[in-house]
Amino acid sequence: NAGVTQTPKFRILKIGQSMTLQCTQDMNHNYMYWYRQDPGMGLKLIYYSVGAGITDKGEVPNGYNVSRSTTEDFPLRLELAAPSQTSVYFCASSYSPSGGPMNQETQYFGPGTRLLVL
Amino acid sequence: AQKVTQAQTEISVVEKEDVTLDCVYETRDTTYYLFWYKQPPSGELVFLIRRNSFDEQNEISGRYSWNFQKSTSSFNFTITASQVVDSAVYFCALSEWGGNTGKLIFGQGTTLQVKP
Repeated sequence: NAGVTQTPKFRILKIGQSMTLQCTQDMNHNYMYWYRQDPGMGLKLIYYSVGAGITDKGEVPNGYNVSRSTTEDFPLRLELAAPSQTSVYFCASSYSPSGGPMNQETQYFGPGTRLLVL
Repeated sequence: AQKVTQAQTEISVVEKEDVTLDCVYETRDTTYYLFWYKQPPSGELVFLIRRNSFDEQNEISGRYSWNFQKSTSSFNFTITASQVVDSAVYFCALSEWGGNTGKLIFGQGTTLQVKP
């Protein structure tokens, strides 16, 4: 049981390039999330998904896109990379059965992807 | 709006000292969850505890303890007899219940340095 895995661990991009950050979980979690962590700051939500085929914007979605074609995978796409997207990106997942907020489970995080845009 | 504030940016203690990390939150929801995560120098996020808004009992787990007080909207974290391995950034987080998405709102984090 690997939990949440992310690739790559580190990447350098030139301004204007594109890339996809991969995230996979093997816990059969229905909810998945992408956060970014800027230096000295807490994490901010980029996008999230409550199940396959369903995605929605978080707090800082501009410059990113996501898709959720399977329960396991939740890739994050950067189009036209900018220096402001230099950050550490964390993917997370959790399981929330139907029944509302009282049943929310804990979010578990991947190891992170460090991205530098020059 | 929902918000989490960790007013202590950095704390430095000597090994074996007790240390308390403060967390104050704002929310209009009556149902919510609070979390603490640890981020060691290696960078991963490690889950420490989850507490729901209906459970104000304090919790102790080994050297760790948590004090949840709804009256002051605080969820403080105490490490007793700190060790060098406790050196890390600690994040307090609040789950958002609008739309039942479970999104987490993080505080800015408190960097704890435990010196030998």
